[in-house]
Amino acid sequence: SQTIHQWPATLVQPVGSPLSLECTVEGTSNPNLYWYRQAAGRGLQLLFYSVGIGQISSEVPQNLSASRPQDRQFILSSKKLLLSDSGFYLCAWSDWGGEQFFGPGTRLTVL
Amino acid sequence: AQSVTQLGSHVSVSEGALVLLRCNYSSSVPPYLFWYVQYPNQGLQLLLKYTSAATLVKGINGFEAEFKKSETSFHLTKPSAHMSDAAEYFCAVISLWGGATNKLIFGTGTLLAVQP
Repeated sequence: SQTIHQWPATLVQPVGSPLSLECTVEGTSNPNLYWYRQAAGRGLQLLFYSVGIGQISSEVPQNLSASRPQDRQFILSSKKLLLSDSGFYLCAWSDWGGEQFFGPGTRLTVL
Repeated sequence: AQSVTQLGSHVSVSEGALVLLRCNYSSSVPPYLFWYVQYPNQGLQLLLKYTSAATLVKGINGFEAEFKKSETSFHLTKPSAHMSDAAEYFCAVISLWGGATNKLIFGTGTLLAVQP
């Protein structure tokens, strides 16, 4: 069966520090991968999307970037965090069937 | 373009009462529709999905939803609420994007509270 992992689970970072969040999927090949952010009271915002290694699509201009160095690995990064980057970050995967399967999330607090 | 509207950001019911969470969609093509549940500080879990087969879809935890094309609705129901149903619920519709895969369009969510 397929599983999706995210780490770390929680993170507290100062403004201006770098960020790296990791997501890995097991039990499937060539998944579509997604990064979402949930800010308080703002629902789910799709940040990045990937259909294959090295292929990244950005939904909104922002302070973040994403990379997919391996088929089942998806990384969310920032060079300098802003206060507004705080939120709950969710990684998800899908095959062609449409539904997405979500990881447990990372709670990021920028101080 | 496809979109989803969830009516009511907060819904409160008594334990044992009917749960009804509303979702209306807009789509120029036959949609695939989903309901997800999110418990505090957790990821989203798929409750059920409609993919153009039976219009009444049964999901996990006793939830079901009915696809009504004439009303462009996909409301989520459960006959009797449990305390453990307290969570946030998201409706979503698929949008074909990039020609090769699918992007889910999510509603803004409905927070369900269950009173004892």
